[in-house]
Amino acid sequence: NAGVMQNPRHLVRRRGQEARLRCSPMKGHSHVYWYRQLPEEGLKFMVYLQKENIIDESGMPKERFSAEFPKEGPSILRIQQVVRGDSAAYFCASSSSGVGYNEQFFGPGTRLTVL
Amino acid sequence: AQSVAQPEDQVNVAEGNPLTVKCTYSVSGNPYLFWYVQYPNRGLQFLLKYITGDNLVKGSYGFEAEFNKSQTSFHLKKPSALVSDSALYFCAVRAGNRDDKIIFGKGTRLHILP
Repeated sequence: NAGVMQNPRHLVRRRGQEARLRCSPMKGHSHVYWYRQLPEEGLKFMVYLQKENIIDESGMPKERFSAEFPKEGPSILRIQQVVRGDSAAYFCASSSSGVGYNEQFFGPGTRLTVL
Repeated sequence: AQSVAQPEDQVNVAEGNPLTVKCTYSVSGNPYLFWYVQYPNRGLQFLLKYITGDNLVKGSYGFEAEFNKSQTSFHLKKPSALVSDSALYFCAVRAGNRDDKIIFGKGTRLHILP
């Protein structure tokens, strides 16, 4: 039973390029969450999605960042025109429902480095 | 607004001794509380959670946590530490409302000294 999958594990981009991060939730999970982790800091919530819907994007910068979770395929976090400050580890998590007591299962993360 | 505080950036414990990693929270309504562990270059792994019922919750790898409503705390404990417990530990809280996001603390780095 595969867990949450993220790819790529490491991504290097030059300033101004686009970064596209993919997340496949656990089988049977339809709720996906994206977080950003900076060195020596905790996880910062970015966005919460269900299939074809964005439920909460309050933690995502309004410019350059977007997320989707299509009916088919993985969830995508897209960062356009990356800057050095975007360098971080980006984690995806999934849960079976949005009910508050359900734990989230995390992927291994994508480490983005912007040169 | 929801918040979580982990007052210690780092905790050092000798192997075999009991360990405690502290967490306090602030949330309107009943809280759902979680502990996660993160090993280097890995994602977070779920350890345990409190929803309702017994204040002492038992989880993976011998860890347990005690919910204290009056002190709004949810400290993580283990009776006898192992070197392999060395990792980054995150406390998290979610209000008892559907679709509310989980708020994570900044994390506490646990060092178990051999």
